[in-house]
Amino acid sequence: AQSVTQLDSHVSVSEGTPVLLRCNYSSSYSPSLFWYVQHPNKGLQLLLKYTSAATLVKGINGFEAEFKKSETSFHLTKPSAHMSDAAEYFCVVSAFTSGTYKYIFGTGTRLKVLA
Amino acid sequence: NAGVTQTPKFQVLKTGQSMTLQCAQDMNHNSMYWYRQDPGMGLRLIYYSASEGTTDKGEVPNGYNVSRLNKREFSLRLESAAPSQTSVYFCASSEIRTGQETQYFGPGTRLLVL
Repeated sequence: AQSVTQLDSHVSVSEGTPVLLRCNYSSSYSPSLFWYVQHPNKGLQLLLKYTSAATLVKGINGFEAEFKKSETSFHLTKPSAHMSDAAEYFCVVSAFTSGTYKYIFGTGTRLKVLA
Repeated sequence: NAGVTQTPKFQVLKTGQSMTLQCAQDMNHNSMYWYRQDPGMGLRLIYYSASEGTTDKGEVPNGYNVSRLNKREFSLRLESAAPSQTSVYFCASSEIRTGQETQYFGPGTRLLVL
C-alpha cells in the first residue's frame, strides 16, 4: 500500500533563506509523486511532479524536488524564500487502483516566511 | 478554459438539511474526484468516478452520495447534514493514462453545518 509522511507540520524560515520541506513515501512499486501548494482560502496548485523520468524535478516559482529511491524521500527545496511562499504544502503519492489513479495525501506542512 | 469549477463557494446548513455540491470540468478528463479537507488531516477521498457511468467509494464515504451526470459533471450530495460534515470540499479531475494522471482541483466549497 502507498503512504506519505510529511515530517514537519510547521516550518518557519526568514525571507531570503533556503526552504526544505520533507516528505517520505512508501510504495510497493515505482511511484508518481507530486507537490501541491495551497495559499490561504484557495484551491490546490501543482508545484511539480515526478513520474520516473529525471530524479531532480524542477517546478514553478523556483521550487525543486529530488526523488531518492534509496531513502524513499521526495523533499521540496527552494534556494531563497519569498514572502509569497507562505502557504501550506502537500506531498502526494499516486496509486493506480480500481480503474483510475488515486492520490494519497500527506497531512501538509505549513510554511511561514519571516520578514 | 475554466478548468474545474465548483458551486457554491460557501454554504451554511442546519443539522438534517440536505444539499448538493456541483462540480464541472472542461478538460475532457475521464476521472473525477471529491475530497474533504479538515485541519491537520490533508485531503481525504470521499468518492470518485473513474469514467463516465461509474462511481466508487473512497476513504470517507459515509453520509454522502454522488452522481456522475455526464463526462463533465460530478455532484456530491449530503442527504442529512451533520456537524461532522463541516469541512472544505474539493472536486478534482484527471486523465487515466500513465504520465497524465495529474489531478486538477477546483477552488473548493466551504460548508458549515450548525
